[in-house]
Amino acid sequence: QKEVEQNSGPLSVPEGAIASLNCTYSDRGSQSFFWYRQYSGKSPELIMFIYSNGDKEDGRFTAQLNKASQYVSLLIRVSQPSDSATYLCAVNRRAIIQGAQKLVFGQGTRLTINP
Amino acid sequence: IAGITQAPTSQILAAGRRMTLRCTQDMRHNAMYWYRQDLGLGLRLIHYSNTAGTTGKGEVPDGYSVSRANTDDFPLTLASAVPSQTSVYFCASSDFSGSSYNEQFFGPGTRLTVL
Repeated sequence: QKEVEQNSGPLSVPEGAIASLNCTYSDRGSQSFFWYRQYSGKSPELIMFIYSNGDKEDGRFTAQLNKASQYVSLLIRVSQPSDSATYLCAVNRRAIIQGAQKLVFGQGTRLTINP
Repeated sequence: IAGITQAPTSQILAAGRRMTLRCTQDMRHNAMYWYRQDLGLGLRLIHYSNTAGTTGKGEVPDGYSVSRANTDDFPLTLASAVPSQTSVYFCASSDFSGSSYNEQFFGPGTRLTVL
């Protein structure tokens, strides 16, 4: 079992609908969770992070965390063609050396928003 | 413009050759990281450093070495390149504020092909 798992997709969603991206993780000691967006040929960029159970909203994006079930999700409301990208889930394990943050990434979900 | 630069942008390398990928950040971040990204496997941590003079191994350190002589630079060296090291390499950095959810900023990446 991979430490962080995502459905690789592709996930196809019509424009204006809600896109739902899911991620599960295996290390119960994980402390914080990140969603990165990566456009084709570009570097990852942070969209949201979450560390407490429940929902966290930022504009059209909502991150949801359920530590008991060990999953984290990202909802994109009113999806737009510009949201088409690969979304990477990352989990922060406890750093061995203070100050460094060892992220473990899932394989990413490719999302396509259809006009 | 503040950020992370990587060099070269891309490189084709003969197997057995030595290669150093360069990474420089001007954000004065204490922590720096090297990842490789392969199709279907997501981003995997190679090495990291929490501060100048200190480095640590990530998930896939074999065949790679790093050094951190100062805050800004974090070169990655392949002592004797092999075809399985063909990948896209991303350098990243993050600041340390005592929390477990500091954003990692990524460089533009280096596409390396080993023949």
